[in-house]
Amino acid sequence: AQSVTQLGSHVSVSEGALVLLRCNYSSSVPPYLFWYVQYPNQGLQLLLKYTSAATLVKGINGFEAEFKKSETSFHLTKPSAHMSDAAEYFCAVTVGNQFYFGTGTSLTVIP
Amino acid sequence: DTAVSQTPKYLVTQMGNDKSIKCEQNLGHDTMYWYKQDSKKFLKIMFSYNNKELIINETVPNRFSPKSPDKAHLNLHINSLELGDSAVYFCASSQTGGGRGAGELFFGEGSRLTVL
Repeated sequence: AQSVTQLGSHVSVSEGALVLLRCNYSSSVPPYLFWYVQYPNQGLQLLLKYTSAATLVKGINGFEAEFKKSETSFHLTKPSAHMSDAAEYFCAVTVGNQFYFGTGTSLTVIP
Repeated sequence: DTAVSQTPKYLVTQMGNDKSIKCEQNLGHDTMYWYKQDSKKFLKIMFSYNNKELIINETVPNRFSPKSPDKAHLNLHINSLELGDSAVYFCASSQTGGGRGAGELFFGEGSRLTVL
């Protein structure tokens, strides 16, 4: 069975501080993994995806994530938070046509 | 040019009414989805169609009926609306391929349904 767990439903960081959003997955086959961002009153848009090439994946807006098979993790990081990063972030795993989303992490950036 | 567009964006209606949400994608994708996002932001898959064929049909009340006239369109009709149906409904599309998983999901901007 496939699933995704996001630790921490709410994360607050100061502007300029490191952003770390955690995601652990469970998959019976090698997964494809995604991070999506949802800004207020908008749909989800792709930040980055892992499809079994490089384990360190770079995405848009300075975000990156590292696939660690031994830890079954795909944590999202950004070295320096910006006010515009405040949003809801979703980790997802896909097998076949089915996407499995985590419960989301709301990121607040404090000025 | 919007890739996945859904209408209406906002829908306010009374309990017991019937309403529809339409979705169209111009990406040439073969698979379309309906997701429900509740007030806690949790995303739940409802339905998925691949080339007009229903492939995912999660535990959803049969008051919800999807319809895909062609692979670029997936509409959602809801009968006898209830208070608990209030949510944001997202349409999405992807292109399936070989290998271990589907391609990236592209989402519409959502349709916020409020049932009074």
